[in-house]
Amino acid sequence: GENVEQHPSTLSVQEGDSAVIKCTYSDSASNYFPWYKQELGKGPQLIIDIRSNVGEKKDQRIAVTLNKTAKHFSLHITETQPEDSAVYFCAASSPVRGGADGLTFGKGTHLIIQP
Amino acid sequence: SQTIHQWPATLVQPVGSPLSLECTVEGTSNPNLYWYRQAAGRGLQLLFYSVGIGQISSEVPQNLSASRPQDRQFILSSKKLLLSDSGFYLCAWSVQDRDLYNEQFFGPGTRLTVL
Repeated sequence: GENVEQHPSTLSVQEGDSAVIKCTYSDSASNYFPWYKQELGKGPQLIIDIRSNVGEKKDQRIAVTLNKTAKHFSLHITETQPEDSAVYFCAASSPVRGGADGLTFGKGTHLIIQP
Repeated sequence: SQTIHQWPATLVQPVGSPLSLECTVEGTSNPNLYWYRQAAGRGLQLLFYSVGIGQISSEVPQNLSASRPQDRQFILSSKKLLLSDSGFYLCAWSVQDRDLYNEQFFGPGTRLTVL
């Protein structure tokens, strides 16, 4: 089955600086890589995703990159703000054929934005 | 737009008592539905998923069960809770798009404490 490793487990950055969270996956068949943001006591919120047919995707201050050869994908947050403080999860999924399948999640990164 | 509801939001139950958590989705038809569990400080673990009424697949053997009595209703149950069942239970839904990408959206979660 798929295995997703996420680093670092905790990341503290100064407000205004950039933050980078990295994940690796094991299943070369995986084709979908979402990123979720989870605030304390709430459900995870999908913030951005990337599909295996592209190498990079950007949405305002957030960008994701994917290296299929190395099985790496990363989340980049620029100009960090206090509201970016949360736990971030990466996940991977292989193509869903005729049914449902769960996402395989990393263990999460606690991002702390220092004022 | 689609919304997903979970209740109760918080639950405290004694060991050996039964459990019933409910999840409903609005604004979509024939969704894929999922139950995940999140232990404190850890990632999300897929418990069950369903592609249709009465169709349940289990990912992890345990004393929990799931049912889908209606198209947009997913229930997580237990006959006798264990201490190890404590955690944050999340329901999610997805609709497969034509390219077979597994985009999932999470509910607000139920915090279960077994004493």
